[in-house]
Amino acid sequence: DAGVIQSPRHEVTEMGQEVTLRCKPISGHNSLFWYRQTMMRGLELLIYFNNNVPIDDSGMPEDRFSAKMPNASFSTLKIQPSEPRDSAVYFCASSSQTGREAFFGQGTRLTVV
Amino acid sequence: EDQVTQSPEALRLQEGESSSLNCSYTVSGLRGLFWYRQDPGKGPEFLFTLYSAGEEKEKERLKATLTKKESFLHITAPKPEDSATYLCAVPNQAGTALIFGKGTTLSVSS
Repeated sequence: DAGVIQSPRHEVTEMGQEVTLRCKPISGHNSLFWYRQTMMRGLELLIYFNNNVPIDDSGMPEDRFSAKMPNASFSTLKIQPSEPRDSAVYFCASSSQTGREAFFGQGTRLTVV
Repeated sequence: EDQVTQSPEALRLQEGESSSLNCSYTVSGLRGLFWYRQDPGKGPEFLFTLYSAGEEKEKERLKATLTKKESFLHITAPKPEDSATYLCAVPNQAGTALIFGKGTTLSVSS
């Protein structure tokens, strides 16, 4: 398996623009997670999907953030409008079972200028 | 409220100099403790899961152990290629997702 695939790897955008991050989980995994990593706060859970349904979005910082999972092989995280404080590395991860080990993608490094 | 605390934040070792990394947790009813390795510019890579006090897991120069309040990642005779950030994690209260510590950045010089 190719593992969790994220795109783009790097994104530089101007403040106020819309940003969409994409993720393809490992085939057969029914849990999908979006995390954000910064030096100050480490890895933070943003949202968790189970069987394509959002279960816990309590980590989504603001209404500017939204996430979708239209099918088992694709998820998006959208930020609209983006702000400089959104600059971070965003990771997607998937797991074969709730509460078990999660496998991470390579991340998207977002820079908002 | 921090549920997972790792120490030290950074550790510098000479090649061959063994040491341990610590991960302490405050969640009740632990349903697993997870160790990951993260290289610069990459996503965390899963290493081990420990489920009960007294359990040990080994992989090459790494050995993870678990007590009721903390876990240790022992590194025996490290090599420069062991340099990375090591993260530990526990499931959240709902048991649905992993909560991570801030990691220990290990540097091994030859």
